[in-house]
Amino acid sequence: DGGITQSPKYLFRKEGQNVTLSCEQNLNHDAMYWYRQDPGQGLRLIYYSQIVNDFQKGDIAEGYSVSREKKESFPLTVTSAQKNPTAFYLCASSIEGTGRYEQYFGPGTRLTVT
Amino acid sequence: GQNIDQPTEMTATEGAIVQINCTYQTSGFNGLFWYQQHAGEAPTFLSYNVLDGLEEKGRFSSFLSRSKGYSYLLLKELQMKDSASYLCAVRGIAAGNKLTFGGGTRVLVKP
Repeated sequence: DGGITQSPKYLFRKEGQNVTLSCEQNLNHDAMYWYRQDPGQGLRLIYYSQIVNDFQKGDIAEGYSVSREKKESFPLTVTSAQKNPTAFYLCASSIEGTGRYEQYFGPGTRLTVT
Repeated sequence: GQNIDQPTEMTATEGAIVQINCTYQTSGFNGLFWYQQHAGEAPTFLSYNVLDGLEEKGRFSSFLSRSKGYSYLLLKELQMKDSASYLCAVRGIAAGNKLTFGGGTRVLVKP
C-alpha cells in the first residue's frame, strides 16, 4: 500500500539531547514537508523539500535540521537549540506543482522533552 | 505574509448542518484546501477550491470567494464521527506547493 510512515509514534527525550524523527513515503512524491502542531493549534511549517538534495526553511526552522538524500526519506532532527520541542510532528508529501495537489500526511510523532 | 482566520470551536446537533468560515489575507492566492483532523491523528484531505463557487462532495461542500478572501466548509446531516478539527489552508504563489494553515475549528457533534 502507498503511504507515508513516521516512527516512532511516541518519543520521549531528556532536555539537551538531539533527536531524529523519521519520515518515509512510497508515493513517488517529489515534495516533502515537516510541520509542528501544538495543542489546539494549526500546523506550522518547519522545513520543506521539493527535490532530492535540496530543502528550504519554513516559518519556524530555528532549532531544527533536515536532510533529503533520497526521494523517499526526509528525516527531521530536533536539536537542543529548539527551546520548546514538545509537540506533535507531522510529515507530509505531495506531487510538486500548483495543480490540485493535496498534501498527504503521515500518522505523526508525538515528542515529549523533559 | 499570509493570515488565516477561522473560529476556534463550534457545537452542533447530530443530523443538523454546520458552516465553518475561513477568511484569509495573502500576498498571492493559488488554491484553498480543507482538511479534517481527528484528535491525535493526521489531517485528511476534504476539498480544494481555486475558482469562485461551490464544490460539493457528498455531505461536505466548500465555497470560495476570492474577491472577499473567504471560504466556508458546509457539513450536512452531521454524524457523531464528524466531531473533529477542520483546518483551512491556503496556498500562495511562492514555489514549493507550500500551505499556510489556519488554527483549525473544533466541531463537537452532540446527540
